[in-house]
Amino acid sequence: NAGVTQTPKFQVLKTGQSMTLQCAQDMNHEYMSWYRQDPGMGLRLIHYSVGAGITDQGEVPNGYNVSRSTTEDFPLRLLSAAPSQTSVYFCASRPGRNTEAFFGQGTRLTVV
Amino acid sequence: AQSVTQPDIHITVSEGASLELRCNYSYGATPYLFWYVQSPGQGLQLLLKYFSGDTLVQGIKGFEAEFKRSQSSFNLRKPSVHWSDAAEYFCAVGNQAGTALIFGKGTTLSVSS
Repeated sequence: NAGVTQTPKFQVLKTGQSMTLQCAQDMNHEYMSWYRQDPGMGLRLIHYSVGAGITDQGEVPNGYNVSRSTTEDFPLRLLSAAPSQTSVYFCASRPGRNTEAFFGQGTRLTVV
Repeated sequence: AQSVTQPDIHITVSEGASLELRCNYSYGATPYLFWYVQSPGQGLQLLLKYFSGDTLVQGIKGFEAEFKRSQSSFNLRKPSVHWSDAAEYFCAVGNQAGTALIFGKGTTLSVSS
């Protein structure tokens, strides 16, 4: 029972590089979200999706892109990494409106 | 916009003592409220949730929380803390459209022997 799977678990990027953080869920959940976690800041919402083909911005969307071509996958793209994007990134899925979130194990990203 | 405040950044409790972690929310209608726990290097695990009905909700690991509309609070409690409860605790509220969860900044719990 995989749940929410994030890859990679760790990544080091150089400033200006691009990369995609992968998130996949096998629970047929409609809603998916990306958060970043920084010390003392809690979890801040980056982008979210309420179904395939539908995405919207959260609290801190700048520097990140998302797409949702399938129910299962919700990748997060960094087009030009900056040191300010050093963080732990969490993907979450939810069965629907006003339900609890199920989290992946996180991706620790360092931008140097 | 919805928001969640966790006034205590860090709390230390003796093992066996009781615990209360505070959470205040800003929301116009009946909120959907959650408490999550995060152990070091791990993802977040749901402890309990409140959607409606009984204002005292029971969760896993012996935790409970009470919803108080008049105080806009959803405090987490445990009668007797175990060393394994040391972790970071997050309170969250569903946003007005129900499309995402908004989290507080978290409270780190340390347990002393």
